[in-house]
Amino acid sequence: LAKTTQPISMDSYEGQEVNITCSHNNIATNDYITWYQQFPSQGPRFIIQGYKTKVTNEVASLFIPADRKSSTLSLPRVSLSDTAVYYCLVGDPQNNAGNMLTFGGGTRLMVKP
Amino acid sequence: DTEVTQTPKHLVMGMTNKKSLKCEQHMGHRAMYWYKQKAKKPPELMFVYSYEKLSINESVPSRFSPECPNSSLLNLHLHALQPEDSALYLCASSQGDIRGANVLTFGAGSRLTVL
Repeated sequence: LAKTTQPISMDSYEGQEVNITCSHNNIATNDYITWYQQFPSQGPRFIIQGYKTKVTNEVASLFIPADRKSSTLSLPRVSLSDTAVYYCLVGDPQNNAGNMLTFGGGTRLMVKP
Repeated sequence: DTEVTQTPKHLVMGMTNKKSLKCEQHMGHRAMYWYKQKAKKPPELMFVYSYEKLSINESVPSRFSPECPNSSLLNLHLHALQPEDSALYLCASSQGDIRGANVLTFGAGSRLTVL
């Protein structure tokens, strides 16, 4: 079963760059890495997805090294509204359909003024 | 339409009641999911439907019964629940045919309280 490991919590200040790393040592060859953000009492929301190297969109960047055993979500210039839980997801390599999508523990980010 | 709609938003039920949670999407997604989330814990996968067929059941007790009437609808029938089943129930959908690159779109959740 693919498993992800992330720091339980992180603190930051407004305007800083935040990097959250996720370990996924047994990621399947054709699996992507997807990151979600969740606010209390809401469903998780898609942030970014990548397969290798670097992906950037309007809210975040995702860095994936060549061995793909980890990934780093980078949030530039965080604000108070970025306080949330962040999850990285990879599929279960034993599930051929690729929809065995289980959440790891996530990282609780607290942004302070 | 890029949303997953869940009803009701809140549900209170007794242990002998029968109730249902409903989920709807009109994005043409072919995979639909039920997750259960307790406070300050990550979502736990319960069921996955792929092309209207149940493909994953994560050893969920039989008091939870999923149903997928068509590709846009997903129900979760609840019967004889326990107080510990109180949680936020999240529905999600994904395209379902992109091996390894499925992106989940979640609803806002149904907050269930079992008395």
